[in-house]
Amino acid sequence: EVQLVQSGAEVKKPGESLKISCKGSGYSFSNYWIGWVRQMPGKGLEWMGIIYPGDSDTRYSPSFQGQVTISADKSISTAYLQWSSLQASDTAMYYCARRDMTLWYFDLWGRGTLLTVSS
Amino acid sequence: SYELTQPPSVSVSPGQTARITCSGDALPKQYAYWYQQKPGQAPVLVIYKDSERPSGIPERFSGSSSGTTVTLTISGVQAEDEADYYCQSADSSGTLGVFGGGTKLIVL
Repeated sequence: EVQLVQSGAEVKKPGESLKISCKGSGYSFSNYWIGWVRQMPGKGLEWMGIIYPGDSDTRYSPSFQGQVTISADKSISTAYLQWSSLQASDTAMYYCARRDMTLWYFDLWGRGTLLTVSS
Repeated sequence: SYELTQPPSVSVSPGQTARITCSGDALPKQYAYWYQQKPGQAPVLVIYKDSERPSGIPERFSGSSSGTTVTLTISGVQAEDEADYYCQSADSSGTLGVFGGGTKLIVL
């Protein structure tokens, strides 16, 4: 089955670091861009950034540049989103999604990882 | 940074036609895509390449493009169509993606 499986919900304190994951299966992981999308509580979707696991080419939306790090390990078909110092404002649902090979839409989504940052 | 603009909400009675617009300067150069998101669920693609419908999406969903505005049209709206709808595209250089702010479709 073609799917993206995301890591489980996290509860963290401000200042802590975190790395969440997104594992692809059922397709050639290296050959598709993987994007990350934030959805804050009650708010809309925000395009954070995208990585091509084949060569780790990574692009960030200006709003997220320097705030998060996107990486991937093609050997285990997994993409990551990490923070070095969490803030309460990072509380959100984070989705990973596979981009179509040639066009800019996401054709496959993970179920999301809910991150709660609270003291 | 590049932005796509959608109305916050659209209201329509069952059986009527709903139209949701999305405006952006790069839309004449870049395709638009539309997603439906229901509470507690991941988004689902309903339109790609401005007007193409993925398999499994009902025919009542259609898309069109004119200049800097794209439109998602839902004909014969059903109660189950009540959801948030997001347009998505790429910037003019085709290096970054962007979502619109989302439109809540309210079925009266």
